Amino acid sequence: GAGVSQSPSNKVTEKGKDVELRCDPISGHTALYWYRQSLGQGLEFLIYFQGNSAPDKSGLPSDRFSAERTGGSVSTLTIQRTQQEDSAVYLCASSRTSGGQETQYFGPGTRLLVL
Amino acid sequence: AQSVTQLGSHVSVSEGALVLLRCNYSSSVPPYLFWYVQYPNQGLQLLLKYTSAATLVKGINGFEAEFKKSETSFHLTKPSAHMSDAAEYFCAVSESGGADGLTFGKGTHLIIQP
Repeated sequence: GAGVSQSPSNKVTEKGKDVELRCDPISGHTALYWYRQSLGQGLEFLIYFQGNSAPDKSGLPSDRFSAERTGGSVSTLTIQRTQQEDSAVYLCASSRTSGGQETQYFGPGTRLLVL
Repeated sequence: AQSVTQLGSHVSVSEGALVLLRCNYSSSVPPYLFWYVQYPNQGLQLLLKYTSAATLVKGINGFEAEFKKSETSFHLTKPSAHMSDAAEYFCAVSESGGADGLTFGKGTHLIIQP
């Protein structure tokens, strides 16, 4: 079956612009996660959705970051007024449920470059 | 709070030699432990996971890992390295029902010498 898909695969933007990253999870997976992978910070957990709700948004790096999930499926991560330090690979993962033992399946990521 | 330490940002082995990638964790509750592999410009792929069943876990591509509670370790091994094993390997820990996501180590880049 289809895995987790993300779009765009690459995004180059100018500092100060807004960007929107999309994640399409595996069909039937109720849990969805966003991570950021950068050279300096490694892999950081950003936010998690169970269904359409995100119980804890404290992992988002700043108030310029927001995420939503509608219909229990597709999720978008929005970064407003992008800064150069936002340059990173943004990875999305989904799992069948939100249990800690559940395997998270990762998408190929969106590589964001802020000039 | 949970944390993961991977010793060695780069590990180099000869083709056919034993692969040993080290992972130590810190967790306030019995953890769930994972090893993921990342090939260049790709997402992460699960190699294996420990979920409190057998302490010796076998995964894909001939890899296995042993959970040792007394040493708080979950080292990844493979008896004989293959050129295709060259990649970045990440150890991760999860405690809760998913709300905190996975906590990853910094990763180990595995280099295979011909």
